[in-house]
Amino acid sequence: GAVVSQHPSRVICKSGTSVKIECRSLDFQATTMFWYRQFPKQSLMLMATSNEGSKATYEQGVEKDKFLINHASLTLSTLTVTSAHPEDSSFYICSASRLAGTSYNEQFFGPGTRLTVL
Amino acid sequence: AQSVSQHNHHVILSEAASLELGCNYSYGGTVNLFWYVQYPGQHLQLLLKYFSGDPLVKGIKGFEAEFIKSKFSFNLRKPSVQWSDTAEYFCAVKSGNTGKLIFGQGTTLQVKP
Repeated sequence: GAVVSQHPSRVICKSGTSVKIECRSLDFQATTMFWYRQFPKQSLMLMATSNEGSKATYEQGVEKDKFLINHASLTLSTLTVTSAHPEDSSFYICSASRLAGTSYNEQFFGPGTRLTVL
Repeated sequence: AQSVSQHNHHVILSEAASLELGCNYSYGGTVNLFWYVQYPGQHLQLLLKYFSGDPLVKGIKGFEAEFIKSKFSFNLRKPSVQWSDTAEYFCAVKSGNTGKLIFGQGTTLQVKP
């Protein structure tokens, strides 16, 4: 149980286009989903926290208009990278937890999406 | 600001050697502590976690970690590593106030057969 999927696993796009990444909790309802960015050989950096039905909370330095997050249902959150540029190339990982983010609970991680912007 | 520091960036061991990966965090309040593993090409998986109680926690695959509050440390150990333990290991802290996970820089473990 507690499987999280991401789609697509890899995406290559041209500079200036927008890319949508989906994160799904397959066998549980996720009230909170998290989006991370991981640079090569570096740690995961939290970008934003999204609770179902409300606006996402972005970390300092993360542009809200650049990285649009939607958490419309208890099993789906999407991250849209708008007007992507080569510096947005990275590995994007989502995680999902069953309870509200401030309670003790486990985050289950998706496999990640490799974004390459040409 | 809260932070997590992993002392070893790249560790190379032979099979059957003992492993200890250091993790220190900076946060004065109540914390939940985690170790995650990322095998090559796979997603992050939880190895073990500490929430409260016995500071020595046992996880999957023979791993254990000890929470030492006075040292703000949560070091990961395994008595005898295997080639299949080759992976990236991340220490993470979840603060009681924010609920967010703060990850360390990660340690690449390479086990030679």
